[in-house]
This record gives sequence, structure tokens and C-alpha cells, in this order.
Amino acid sequence: DQQVKQNSPSLSVQEGRISILNCDYTNSMFDYFLWYKKYPAEGPTFLISISSIKDKNEDGRFTVFLNKSAKHLSLHIVPSQPGDSAVYFCAASEPNYGGSQGNLIFGKGTKLSVKP
Amino acid sequence: KAGVTQTPRYLIKTRGQQVTLSCSPISGHRSVSWYQQTPGQGLQFLFEYFSETQRNKGNFPGRFSGRQFSNSRSEMNVSTLELGDSALYLCASSYSGYEQYFGPGTRLTVT
Repeated sequence: DQQVKQNSPSLSVQEGRISILNCDYTNSMFDYFLWYKKYPAEGPTFLISISSIKDKNEDGRFTVFLNKSAKHLSLHIVPSQPGDSAVYFCAASEPNYGGSQGNLIFGKGTKLSVKP
Repeated sequence: KAGVTQTPRYLIKTRGQQVTLSCSPISGHRSVSWYQQTPGQGLQFLFEYFSETQRNKGNFPGRFSGRQFSNSRSEMNVSTLELGDSALYLCASSYSGYEQYFGPGTRLTVT
């Protein structure tokens, strides 16, 4: 049973336009969400995160929105650039009262292609 | 700061053998987590170590084990390799626990 779902395996966007990547989750206990970007043959690169007490976090061209009632988050990239072409993973963390936050639960990823 | 490093980058083993993978975290990070990435299952959490203690463990068989040393470097071991263990093994380190920084991974092929 997937707790974190990225229902679009791929997305194609024109350079300069907005890219919107979506992620749904089922576990209401998740308290922290992250987006990672991954190029082939490399490890995931951390992009941006958001705590469950917030509904928006911005970092340059990247903005993450969290809708807790809908158990939905999205990553907006504006403007999109060809170098943004990669696989994007959504991840979530559940509080562990033993002190560990080291277990991230990942979605299956969305492959973004930004066309020049 | 140097990033997370993993050695070796590529490995080919045969069924029944065992393998040890190594991970050096970012300086100052005490938490190290390991993940397995396969095309079918995506990224799955194996275990997390903090200050030489395993803090959390995923749903993998006991053939998968790990340890962490006093300098925060970590190793993971897979015994009695099976074909299905072929995967990219990723190590991630963290200072706070939430934001994890990944290494390039070790590509393990079991034949």
C-alpha cells in the first residue's frame, strides 16, 4: 500500500512556463515533506521541504504548497528551464518518538522534460 | 563541504556471495540512512544509524545489515545474495534527520 503517490509518471513543459508536480499521501501522521530531483546515475538532490505546520515554502524558482485537508502537496517551478529536466521525487517523514526522522517514504517519481 | 561519498560505485557479485558497501557522510552529520532503489519498488528505506546505534529499520530481511563507526562512516552488508538484490543502494546523511543528503549510490548487480 503506497503511502506517498505521484500519479503522473511524466510531465512535459515548454521552457519558461510553469511546471507543476503533484503528490498525494495517505498517512495523516506525516509531519514533514520534501522534494528531491534525480538525474540518471546520480543520487537524489534535495530541493525544498515543508513542515506540516505551514502551507507554503518558497526557494527561488521553487515553491512547495501543502494542503493538509486534501493530503496533497505540489511543487511549482517557475520559470522552467531545460536543466530542470530530471525525475522528481516527493518524500514524507513520520514523527518517531524514539528520536529517528531518518525514514523517508518516497513516491515513485515524475519525469519532467522541459523543452527549449 | 564535501558531499556524501559511497564506495564502490559499481559491483558485480554472484548469487550466494556477500557484499559490503561503504558510506562516508557529510562532515558533522551523525545520522546515516540507507535506501534501496529498484525500477519496480522505487526508493525503499533500509535502516538508519545515529551515533553508532540503529534507530530505525525498514521491512527488509535479516540478510541486510549495517553498522556505523565512531566517525559516523557507515557500512551495509548483504549476505547470501539473491538476484532480486540487484539495485542501486543509496546512502544519505543528515544533521537534523529530516533533510537528507544523498550520495551517488552503489550499483549492485547480482548474476
